[in-house]
Amino acid sequence: EMQLLVSGGGLVQPGGSLRLSCAASGFTFSTYDMSWVRQAPGKGLEWVSVIGAGDDSTYYADSVKGRFTISRDTSTNTLYLQMNSLRAEDTAVYYCAKEEGSFGYYYFDYWGQGTLVTVSS
Amino acid sequence: EIVMTQSPATLSVSPGERATLSCRASQSVISYLAWYQQKPGQAPRLLIYGASTRATGIPARFSGSGSGTEFTLTISSLQSEDFAVYYCQQYYSWPPYTFGQGTKLEIK
Repeated sequence: EMQLLVSGGGLVQPGGSLRLSCAASGFTFSTYDMSWVRQAPGKGLEWVSVIGAGDDSTYYADSVKGRFTISRDTSTNTLYLQMNSLRAEDTAVYYCAKEEGSFGYYYFDYWGQGTLVTVSS
Repeated sequence: EIVMTQSPATLSVSPGERATLSCRASQSVISYLAWYQQKPGQAPRLLIYGASTRATGIPARFSGSGSGTEFTLTISSLQSEDFAVYYCQQYYSWPPYTFGQGTKLEIK
């Protein structure tokens, strides 16, 4: 059974840092692109970042570029999101999502349960 | 960046009736359009990809149509478990992947 277990959320002060983890199982983690998607309280979904399979290419939303870093450890099947210089507007539930598709066209076929990040003093 | 616009924001439908949700892209996304369902406190669940292909395990009462810039999600004969928020998402031109703002399907 495919599973994505997200952890690492919590309360952090503005300007602080946090690292989220997403432990994957039930599929060959190293062969899939993986994304982080967030949802501010009562709001819609916002894509945050993606890391490619194989070449580990990375892309970011403009709202987090230069502050967040996505990475993966294929030896432990874990996806990470290092979040620095956090702002109040980063407050959200953060989901990791597995991508599916081909030829550069990928949708999110499986999502982790999410973890809440609250940025507040 | 491709902007996705969903309508209506809220749709009130009685159980057993049909619901039609719309999604418009600011430029063509061909058929690279997905639909997700989200219930309170839960992660989104993939319903439809490729504009019209049901994901694994999704009941046949869910159907998607459209291409280019206009898309529709239809739920025939609404069941109680179908009342949720629905999001469309384009994956034709990225980064960034972009979502619509969601349509809340509520019981009439």
